[in-house]
Formats: sequence, C-alpha cells, structure tokens
Amino acid sequence: AQKITQTQPGMFVQEKEAVTLDCTYDTSDQSYGLFWYKQPSSGEMIFLIYQGSYDEQNATEGRYSLNFQKARKSANLVISASQLGDSAMYFCAMRDIPTNTGNQFYFGTGTSLTVIP
Amino acid sequence: DGGITQSPKYLFRKEGQNVTLSCEQNLNHDAMYWYRQDPGQGLRLIYYSQIVNDFQKGDIAEGYSVSREKKESFPLTVTSAQKNPTAFYLCASSQTGFVMGGSPKQFFGPGTRLTVL
Repeated sequence: AQKITQTQPGMFVQEKEAVTLDCTYDTSDQSYGLFWYKQPSSGEMIFLIYQGSYDEQNATEGRYSLNFQKARKSANLVISASQLGDSAMYFCAMRDIPTNTGNQFYFGTGTSLTVIP
Repeated sequence: DGGITQSPKYLFRKEGQNVTLSCEQNLNHDAMYWYRQDPGQGLRLIYYSQIVNDFQKGDIAEGYSVSREKKESFPLTVTSAQKNPTAFYLCASSQTGFVMGGSPKQFFGPGTRLTVL
C-alpha cells in the first residue's frame, strides 16, 4: 500500500505569492517523521523541513512551513513569498520509528512547482 | 565537511556490461540506501543497509547487487540482467533510529546519471 500520496503532479504559482503542496500519509504507528525535499533540475535532493509525529507545533524553516494535521494524516508544505528559484520538484517523505523498519524512508511521487514571474 | 560523494557523475555503459556506482559517506551513518529515479518520476528503493555486512532488497532489486564491507561505502553494481538501467541513481545515508538531538533525515549524494548505449 502506498504510504505517501502527493496528488498534485504539477503546480503553478505567481512570484511572491504563497503556495501549498499537498501530502497525505498512511501509517498505523504512533511515532514517525515527515520530511520535505526539493529537487531542482540538477538532481540534488535538498532537505527542507522535518516534522515529528509528537511535535505539537508545526515546523517552520524560513519561508517553509509544514501544516501538520495528524488526525487527517496530512503534512502539507507551505512556501511563502515564492521565488523563481523555488521552481523544482518537491517530494514528501515519511520514516517510521519502529526498529525493524525505522530506517526505511517512503517517498511520494512528487509535485513539480513552477514559479511564474 | 561531512557529506556523501557519488562517482562518477555521468556514466555510459554498453548493453551487456556490468557497471559499479560508487557511494561514500563520512557522516558516520550506519544506514545507507540506493534509489533509482526515472525522468519525471519519484524515487524507488533498490537496496538499503542498516549495518556493515548486512543489506536488504528494496522494491526494485532485480538486476542490481550491493555490498557493505565498510561503514563508509555502499557500492551498487548494475548488472547485465537489469533490462532498462538508464536512469538517475541516488545514494543516501541516515542515522539508525531517532536519536535525541540528532537529525533523523536522509542525506543524499549528488547522484549518478547512467546511460546505456
């Protein structure tokens, strides 16, 4: 069963506007971690933000924030004040805590974001 | 600086040849991973290793082999049995488990683009 679902294959946003990239996840575990990565055309994977399942506050890193709704099993990425350099693929990922699989990461299919000048 | 190196950046192979992709990390991570990425697609797990001399198959292990003789190194061999090996290959590493004060994220190398001629 797919653990991470990203339903938006492609998104467009006007420069300086905010954009939300959707991510839902599936797990029966209580302890897990959620991540967002950015992949520009060069191919490198750039870590953006992390949210632990027990964190009470939504994670923020500069212009990135993670809208974590545990009951809905969603972990949407919000990018504020979009810049042209934000144009890239964005991947949502999850890591379970249980020791026998706690080192495996599950990735979504990605969302391609294009920032329009 | 700590990080992950992959070599070469670009690799060309003739059909029927085996080829080995290098991955080295100096982050002192126990867990290492290999992913395959096809154009416009997400990451698919080939193999992962949680400790030296041990590794597990991922979702698409057929036609690939790995070894983990040293903590720092996790080379991937693409064998002639892999029917369509042209892709972008990413190596990653992470701490095992969630360590208080540590970083649970995956660190990625810059990737190797393999093309079969």
